Amino acid sequence: DAKTTQPPSMDCAEGRAANLPCNHSTISGNEYVYWYRQIHSQGPQYIIHGLKNNETNEMASLIITEDRKSSTLILPHATLRDTAVYYCSAGGTSYGKLTFGQGTILTVHP
Amino acid sequence: DTEVTQTPKHLVMGMTNKKSLKCEQHMGHRAMYWYKQKAKKPPELMFVYSYEKLSINESVPSRFSPECPNSSLLNLHLHALQPEDSALYLCASSQVHTSYEQYFGPGTRLTVT
Repeated sequence: DAKTTQPPSMDCAEGRAANLPCNHSTISGNEYVYWYRQIHSQGPQYIIHGLKNNETNEMASLIITEDRKSSTLILPHATLRDTAVYYCSAGGTSYGKLTFGQGTILTVHP
Repeated sequence: DTEVTQTPKHLVMGMTNKKSLKCEQHMGHRAMYWYKQKAKKPPELMFVYSYEKLSINESVPSRFSPECPNSSLLNLHLHALQPEDSALYLCASSQVHTSYEQYFGPGTRLTVT
């Protein structure tokens, strides 16, 4: 799996878009980028994954650069309930192994 | 039903005890996982079961013994643990083992005294 680098913490105002960056410069061609979040005292929650095209679902959008060396997770209208640790990872799941990065603590302020 | 349940929520055990953690899902998923999470760290994979067979053991000490009695149940048997094994133990499941979308339970907070 590729090593990922995320800022340790970020702040966002409620109602604004939260843009969480992730660097994965050593990603190889068949490795996906995937994001999970973990709200305090809960298990991680899947958010989104993608290979090279931008992806959107009901929770978030994932923007992957053309060279695939970095990506941004976008929460379009952050709420207080989005306060969590956001994990960016890059790799394959040939054998079911997910490897979590160190994570970004996102704090959404009123 | 998209829920993974884990019991117990909290467990305190001595180093000579034997205990078990239980995980259950009714989503028809054929892959199930155990993760260990220490405070302020990301979860780390311990075991993967695919179609009720153990497919990955991440060099976990033998004092942790997983068991998958059927496709809905996953157990983790604990014996002779050390204080450094105190952590949050998370169970997850996915449709198949190649899926990026895993569903996690709330975890069991284990304290070894």
